[in-house]
Amino acid sequence: GQQVMQIPQYQHVQEGEDFTTYCNSSTTLSNIQWYKQRPGGHPVFLIQLVKSGEVKKQKRLTFQFGEAKKNSSLHITATQTTDVGTYFCAGVQNAGNNRKLIWGLGTSLAVNP
Amino acid sequence: NAGVTQTPKFQVLKTGQSMTLQCAQDMNHNSMYWYRQDPGMGLRLIYYSASEGTTDKGEVPNGYNVSRLNKREFSLRLESAAPSQTSVYFCASSDFSGRRRITEAFFGQGTRLTVV
Repeated sequence: GQQVMQIPQYQHVQEGEDFTTYCNSSTTLSNIQWYKQRPGGHPVFLIQLVKSGEVKKQKRLTFQFGEAKKNSSLHITATQTTDVGTYFCAGVQNAGNNRKLIWGLGTSLAVNP
Repeated sequence: NAGVTQTPKFQVLKTGQSMTLQCAQDMNHNSMYWYRQDPGMGLRLIYYSASEGTTDKGEVPNGYNVSRLNKREFSLRLESAAPSQTSVYFCASSDFSGRRRITEAFFGQGTRLTVV
């Protein structure tokens, strides 16, 4: 079936280091969404990418959508302790009159102060 | 706006007991979802409802039933709880079947369920 693979599963960094998580889909996606889940919390929407090759920035976070619309990445520059959490990508797949979200397994980020 | 409200937040059940998790959204969304989250397994879709009056199975529907009571409410029922159903359950809603360009999912706070 349709899958979105996300790597790495875990990442441990020193505060100030950069961090990147990658998502790869087995099929072409309509668009891709990114969510952040703080420890003990619920997933919260960060951004949606729609266009092939799209790059969007939110302060220290940079999101990219691949040219073939099958892969995406989230890069955090100079991590802070507030970045701790699990980052999920979710591919949006058009399915008839409905749309489906296909979730990656997430990347858990730990930041040492 | 309250967004997505999910109850209860915590629950302990004995094996074989039944319970219903309640979810309500006030954003007039068509689509609603129930997920379970286990360590290392990400979010797994149990059931979803694309619109009022319809429900469909997700990846892991066994042992669960759902009811889309109206556009606002989507409940998840465990008829006979098993230890394997110990998990964190999230309800979510989105405007997926609408015409909005950005169709993010909004999540409830989660229900931490332990079956002993």
